[in-house]
Parts: sequence; C-alpha cells; structure tokens
Amino acid sequence: DTAVSQTPKYLVTQMGNDKSIKCEQNLGHDTMYWYKQDSKKFLKIMFSYNNKELIINETVPNRFSPKSPDKAHLNLHINSLELGDSAVYFCASSYGTANTGELFFGEGSRLTVL
Amino acid sequence: QKEVEQDPGPLSVPEGAIVSLNCTYSNSAFQYFMWYRQYSRKGPELLMYTYSSGNKEDGRFTAQVDKSSKYISLFIRDSQPSDSATYLCAMTGPPPNSNYQLIWGAGTKLIIKP
Repeated sequence: DTAVSQTPKYLVTQMGNDKSIKCEQNLGHDTMYWYKQDSKKFLKIMFSYNNKELIINETVPNRFSPKSPDKAHLNLHINSLELGDSAVYFCASSYGTANTGELFFGEGSRLTVL
Repeated sequence: QKEVEQDPGPLSVPEGAIVSLNCTYSNSAFQYFMWYRQYSRKGPELLMYTYSSGNKEDGRFTAQVDKSSKYISLFIRDSQPSDSATYLCAMTGPPPNSNYQLIWGAGTKLIIKP
C-alpha cells in the first residue's frame, strides 16, 4: 500500500498547455504539501494545506493553483505551462502544522515542458 | 547567503569507508534537524531526526548537531553501494525567526564504489 501516491508519474507537454497532478495520502495526516525540485535537486516548498485550508503559499506564479477537496487529497493545476516549469513535483504529508520535519513524500511527478 | 549551505558533491568513496556529510546554517532559531535520503527517481525519505544539540545513532548512521557552530553532520560507517543516493539536510524552528517552515540544503550526491 503506497502511503503518498501521485499521478501521473511522468508528464510531457507543450508550452501553453494546462495540466494537473493529483496526490492522495492514506496515512491519516492532516497536512499536505507541494514541493518543486529542480535539476540541481534543490527542494522548494510551494504550498501547504492543513485540513483543506491553505497555510503556506510561497511566491509561486498564480498559474499554479492547488486544490484540496479533503484532507487526504491535494491536487495541483498548472495553467499556461512555461519551459521553466519543467521539474519534478513532489507531494508530501505530515501530522499537524508544527512542522518538525517528519514528511512523507510521494515518488514525484516529472514534468517536461517542450 | 543561503540559510542552509550544503556541498552538492558528488562525493565518491570506496565501499567500507566512513562517510561524512555536512551542512552549515545561519539561523540560530533552528531546533529540529533532519537528514533525508533520496534515491534516484524517488521521493526523499527521512533517515535521521535530531532535536537540539548532540548525537543520535541508528545502526551505521550517526547524526551530530553542534548548535554553537551552526553545523550538522551525518556519518555513515561501513558504507555500502546501496547507500549511494542524494542526502538532503533540513531544519526548522519556532516563530518568529523560523515559523516551523522546513529549510532545505541543496543535497549532496554520494557515490559508494564497490
């Protein structure tokens, strides 16, 4: 049983298109995150939700819109894709909002924008 | 200056060697220190977790925190080819200086040669 699962694992698309990535966790956690990892492996927080409420919203273009239908799901929609959006996007989850660092990550969604 | 500095490597050592991985940081409010391991094309997974200063040992792995020097280390004894991965340090602390957001190092790529 996968604890944090993301779909799709791979996305190849053209500039200007819109795409979505879905994430589900079965750990009973109440906080979920989206991270972006660039080609140099640097992990950057994008968004965090606690019980469906947005609690972290870093400086991310408004082309990126997260949505949490319930505390087990966090989706990411990206409009008007640009070349610079190419990266691996990781979903993660944890207990509570006091982030003491015990995050559980999915396997990542590798986005390539052509 | 970045809040957390980590040499990206790669660091290549022979099997059986003792490996030392390090991070330095600038924010004295950090209290929780983590090491994550990330295999190629996988999500990061928590390896070691330390609160405040001191050492923590788990099998072949030892995490050290020196808050006075703002320096953390991960030691791997009797390194194995299966230890080949990218190791990311991460840390966080309470508000107002940190607000419990995880701050990540860039990750060090480690290669253990058989």
